[in-house]
Amino acid sequence: DSGVTQTPKHLITATGQRVTLRCSPRSGDLSVYWYQQSLDQGLQFLIQYYNGEERAKGNILERFSAQQFPDLHSELNLSSLELGDSALYFCASNAGQTFTDTQYFGPGTRLTVL
Amino acid sequence: GNSVTQMEGPVTLSEEAFLTINCTYTATGYPSLFWYVQYPGEGLQLLLKATKADDKGSNKGFEATYRKETTSFHLEKGSVQVSDSAVYFCALIRSGAGSYQLTFGKGTKLSVIP
Repeated sequence: DSGVTQTPKHLITATGQRVTLRCSPRSGDLSVYWYQQSLDQGLQFLIQYYNGEERAKGNILERFSAQQFPDLHSELNLSSLELGDSALYFCASNAGQTFTDTQYFGPGTRLTVL
Repeated sequence: GNSVTQMEGPVTLSEEAFLTINCTYTATGYPSLFWYVQYPGEGLQLLLKATKADDKGSNKGFEATYRKETTSFHLEKGSVQVSDSAVYFCALIRSGAGSYQLTFGKGTKLSVIP
């Protein structure tokens, strides 16, 4: 158990809808990272937040947004969903703001868009 | 832009066989290089890393050496076990201007049979 929790575990929705994925980092970790893993795109880094502020951006679509709250949990919002957004979404956390430090991954949320 | 190319899988080996998974990269400057492992049904785990040329990362019997002259970071293990069956991802991070770019390879699935 990495100490990182993600909810929900599975999510099934329809095209055009909007969903919110939630991540709670390990106790004391200030950085949260979001990743998308799909058969088509492989594994992609989406975005990082550090202590409430956006720290780095990867291949995140404009339809997607994220935020980190004062209690350090983070939410990833996906809107105007398309079939191609079906994927496993991971979040990870670490104590600092440096990606190269060991990241602890959550179990992921599997999103299916029908 | 940056890119990471891994050997195509799946790779199937017998227990105690020698493992090599090739990884080459394209990037400007001096990226840091990583190998991650994803066991079935789990998130990513950092396996090893190297932050400068000629560095050797090692962990759990796995090794990889950062070769700038050949832009490679091949993963090796002398004697694989059934428990090493997983998907292995090569990745690089390129820092600059207060941010960074993270690029993953497509992953190589390893199956070790008794």
